[in-house]
Amino acid sequence: RKEVEQDPGPFNVPEGATVAFNCTYSNSASQSFFWYRQDCRKEPKLLMSVYSSGNEDGRFTAQLNRASQYISLLIRDSKLSDSATYLCVVNRDNYGQNFVFGPGTRLSVLP
Amino acid sequence: DVKVTQSSRYLVKRTGEKVFLECVQDMDHENMFWYRQDPGLGLRLIYFSYDVKMKEKGDIPEGYSVSREKKERFSLILESASTNQTSMYLCASSPVEGTDTQYFGPGTRLTVL
Repeated sequence: RKEVEQDPGPFNVPEGATVAFNCTYSNSASQSFFWYRQDCRKEPKLLMSVYSSGNEDGRFTAQLNRASQYISLLIRDSKLSDSATYLCVVNRDNYGQNFVFGPGTRLSVLP
Repeated sequence: DVKVTQSSRYLVKRTGEKVFLECVQDMDHENMFWYRQDPGLGLRLIYFSYDVKMKEKGDIPEGYSVSREKKERFSLILESASTNQTSMYLCASSPVEGTDTQYFGPGTRLTVL
């Protein structure tokens, strides 16, 4: 079993739709959690960190459930520019950065 | 603005060649990382470094080595390239404090024939 798992998609949604991505991780000692976004043929970039209390940044909401070892990302009112691959990232390390990346979920927002 | 640069966007080498991939960051970051990215597998950590002349193995170090002689530069070396090392190689850097964000370079697509 992979340490971080995601539904690979692709998710094809119309503009304005709400879409949710799920991610599970197997290492219960994991310390911090993130969503990165990767556009086609580009490098990954941080979208948002994920906090235990849940957090929101505009149209994006991230949730963490430590008991279930589950992370989610909700995108409301999808835009064409949201089309990308979304990477779930888990830091195993308490003092450093030992990131494990999920394989990514591809999103296509259609006009 | 953080800038991480990699020496080549595309590279084609032959089996058995020694390959050097260079990464330079201009933000005085202590941490630097090398990953490879393959379809369906995501990014996998090859080596990382938290300081000059320091290196640690990641999840898939076999067939690779690294060098960090200066803070801003982290090199990945394939001693004898093999076809299964054909991949996208991504370098990243981050500061020790203040953020968990890793900043990535544009990547080098290496093809080993």
